[in-house]
Amino acid sequence: AQSVTQLDSHVSVSEGTPVLLRCNYSSSYSPSLFWYVQHPNKGLQLLLKYTSAATLVKGINGFEAEFKKSETSFHLTKPSAHMSDAAEYFCVVSDEAGTASKLTFGTGTRLQVTL
Amino acid sequence: GAVVSQHPSRVICKSGTSVKIECRSLDFQATTMFWYRQFPKQSLMLMATSNEGSKATYEQGVEKDKFLINHASLTLSTLTVTSAHPEDSSFYICSVWGRETQYFGPGTRLLVL
Repeated sequence: AQSVTQLDSHVSVSEGTPVLLRCNYSSSYSPSLFWYVQHPNKGLQLLLKYTSAATLVKGINGFEAEFKKSETSFHLTKPSAHMSDAAEYFCVVSDEAGTASKLTFGTGTRLQVTL
Repeated sequence: GAVVSQHPSRVICKSGTSVKIECRSLDFQATTMFWYRQFPKQSLMLMATSNEGSKATYEQGVEKDKFLINHASLTLSTLTVTSAHPEDSSFYICSVWGRETQYFGPGTRLLVL
């Protein structure tokens, strides 16, 4: 069984300050991990993914995440928040890397960016 | 550009009618597609796995007779909500597996009156 815990349901940062969205996972296998972003009334856009290659993964729009097996974490970071980053972020785990396996979603973190 | 499209993007229907939602893979052939639903301010819940040329696999608690899935080609899967009721109102999202990633459609918002 696999699960994902997003530790914060809501994060608020000022524009230009760093962003940290926390995610811990549980998986019986070597997992694939993803971060997706969802803007209001829109579908999900892939930010980045980890599939057992480099543990530090760089994604789009300046986001990156580090896979830490010892801590079972996959936190999402960005050095400087922009107003357009305000959205819902989902941490997602897939139990089999490289296959069309089921995804398990975290409950989401709503990022608010203030002036 | 978009990898997955959905149609319609929004639909309003009367209680008791059926609604069909299409999901198209634009970039590659997809033997497997997935259907999710998302309630307001909640996460996505997997409803079923759509397999090209065979029956869909439904998650526990999802009524297969109510949510009919047809995956007749490598680029098209359809979800039909039969005899829709207000509690079926939700955001339905499909995804396609390819290039070691799941790509999501833009979603279909269903409102049942």
